[in-house]
Amino acid sequence: GAGVSQSPSNKVTEKGKDVELRCDPISGHTALYWYRQSLGQGLEFLIYFQGNSAPDKSGLPSDRFSAERTGGSVSTLTIQRTQQEDSAVYLCASSLELGPPNSDTQYFGPGTRLTVL
Amino acid sequence: GESVGLHLPTLSVQEGDNSIINCAYSNSASDYFIWYKQESGKGPQFIIDIRSNMDKRQGQRVTVLLNKTVKHLSLQIAATQPGDSAVYFCAENRSGGFKTIFGAGTRLFVKA
Repeated sequence: GAGVSQSPSNKVTEKGKDVELRCDPISGHTALYWYRQSLGQGLEFLIYFQGNSAPDKSGLPSDRFSAERTGGSVSTLTIQRTQQEDSAVYLCASSLELGPPNSDTQYFGPGTRLTVL
Repeated sequence: GESVGLHLPTLSVQEGDNSIINCAYSNSASDYFIWYKQESGKGPQFIIDIRSNMDKRQGQRVTVLLNKTVKHLSLQIAATQPGDSAVYFCAENRSGGFKTIFGAGTRLFVKA
């Protein structure tokens, strides 16, 4: 079946512009996660959704970052007034359920490579 | 502080040999551990997981070992193949939480 999809696959923007990144999770997955991966680095947790709510936004690096999820499905990550340090690959993942003891496997999308000039 | 880290940033093995990728964690409250494989230009892919009530779990050509005494996790790949070349991440889920913490990753090179 279809996996997690993300769009766009690549985004080049100018410093100060706003960008929107989209994630389509696997159908039926209630949990959705956003991560950021800088070049050659591990994954930095940003935010997760259980349904449409985001109980934990502590990973968002600044108030320029926001995310929403509608209909328990598609999620968008918005970065306002982009800075060069925002350049990274933004990964989305989804899973059936959330946290231990279920700890369902997270399935990742291919990511959006964001370059801020 | 709490961390999930890897001992080696790169590992080079001969095709057909066994690979061992190591990971250390510092929080004894972590109760779920996962290994992911990430190929160039792709998102991480689940390989195998293990819960803290186990010390070993086997999959197809892969084995994960958990040593809670020394807070160490390892991934063993048998008969390593060129297709195994990738970056491997260990990750932990802390008890009662949802936030998966990823290590920095180990790049595995398989020499033909």
